Amino acid sequence: AQKITQTQPGMFVQEKEAVTLDCTYDTSDQSYGLFWYKQPSSGEMIFLIYQGSYDEQNATEGRYSLNFQKARKSANLVISASQLGDSAMYFCGPPGNNRLAFGKGNQVVVIP
Amino acid sequence: EPEVTQTPSHQVTQMGQEVILRCVPISNHLYFYWYRQILGQKVEFLVSFYNNEISEKSEIFDDQFSVERPDGSNFTLKIRSTKLEDSAMYFCASSAAGDSSGNTIYFGEGSWLTVV
Repeated sequence: AQKITQTQPGMFVQEKEAVTLDCTYDTSDQSYGLFWYKQPSSGEMIFLIYQGSYDEQNATEGRYSLNFQKARKSANLVISASQLGDSAMYFCGPPGNNRLAFGKGNQVVVIP
Repeated sequence: EPEVTQTPSHQVTQMGQEVILRCVPISNHLYFYWYRQILGQKVEFLVSFYNNEISEKSEIFDDQFSVERPDGSNFTLKIRSTKLEDSAMYFCASSAAGDSSGNTIYFGEGSWLTVV
């Protein structure tokens, strides 16, 4: 079965600093993708960024970028210039077979 | 920007009662989903729906649960005979397609269900 691993405990990051969140995908598929979603304390799930395994470039979306390592099947999320509003849970997950299976999430707290 | 809308935002129900959670997916999307998130835990897949039938479901989605698309816009999750452990946030989501290649799944804001 597909498995997403997000192992980092809760993280504190200083405002304006960068933070990296890990995500690895245990799959035998050669073609796959990884999504990142943000869940603030209000509870909604907000799509951030997507990386496909055959994308030649690392995905970038504003302050969000992915450090994609194809051999490791990992797509680590980098949030640059952290803002207080970045405090949230961050979930990583793959598409496939009409469903999205998330990892356990990474808790990020941005401190002023 | 189009969005997935869910009602109610919060519902309290007595154990044993039936609950219907409603969702209006994004209008040109073809794939619909329900997920569940128990407080403090990860988001869990329940079911996906395409072309008026279930395309995939998880082991959580047992006979207690059912989904329906009663008209061209609504997508509902029915939970029969609710149990205390059904208390969770239920997310509806939709996507333009069901495969990979960046077909983003867009989530609604969720419906909090509290079973007492």
